[in-house]
Amino acid sequence: AQSVTQPDIHITVSEGASLELRCNYSYGATPYLFWYVQSPGQGLQLLLKYFSGDTLVQGIKGFEAEFKRSQSSFNLRKPSVHWSDAAEYFCAVAFQAGTALIFGKGTTLSVSS
Amino acid sequence: GAGVSQSPRYKVAKRGQDVALRCDPISGHVSLFWYQQALGQGPEFLTYFQNEAQLDKSGLPSDRFFAERPEGSVSTLKIQRTQQEDSAVYLCASSLVGTGVVFGPGTRLTVL
Repeated sequence: AQSVTQPDIHITVSEGASLELRCNYSYGATPYLFWYVQSPGQGLQLLLKYFSGDTLVQGIKGFEAEFKRSQSSFNLRKPSVHWSDAAEYFCAVAFQAGTALIFGKGTTLSVSS
Repeated sequence: GAGVSQSPRYKVAKRGQDVALRCDPISGHVSLFWYQQALGQGPEFLTYFQNEAQLDKSGLPSDRFFAERPEGSVSTLKIQRTQQEDSAVYLCASSLVGTGVVFGPGTRLTVL
C-alpha cells in the first residue's frame, strides 16, 4: 500500500543548530512530494514541494529538502534553527497530479535555548 | 479571496446532532479536498471534488458523512448524528493543477 513514514515522532534541537527531519515513502514511481508546517492552532503552511527536475528544493523560511530516488526519501533540512521553528512538520505525497495528499504522522520539533 | 476560509472555526455539538462545516476555496481553484485530523495525527483524506463533481469519497468514514459542492466553488461537509469519535479538526484545501495544495485554518469539532 502507498504510505508515508516519518520515523521521528519528536525531535529537540538547540537554537542555532542544524536540523534534518526524515521522510520516506512507499510507491513504485516518483510521487509529488511536499513538506508542510503546522503551528499550534494554525493551519498547514506549505514549506516546499518537489514535482520534477533538480532534486534539491529550496523553500520558505530557509528550509530545503532533497529528493533521493534510491532511498525513497525526501528529508527536510535547515542549517540553523530559530526558536520560531518549533512546530509540527508533515511530509506528504501525491501519486498523481491534482490528487489527494497522503500525510505522514508528523514530527514535533522543539527548540531549546 | 486571498486564501481558503472555513467556518465555523470551532463547533461544539452534542452527540447525535447534525453539523455542517463550510469551506470557501481560493477563487478559480478547481480541486477541493476535505481532510480529518485527529489530535496528534496527520491529516487523513476524506473526499475530493473537481469543480462540482465528487471524484473520490473513499475516505469518508461512514454514511453519516456527506459532502457537496453544488456550484463548483463553496463546499459543505455534513456529519449526521455526530459521535464522540468524530471529534477532530476538519481541514479544507484547494488547488490548481501545477500548484501546491493550500489549506484553510480548519474547523475544530468537539462532540460531547
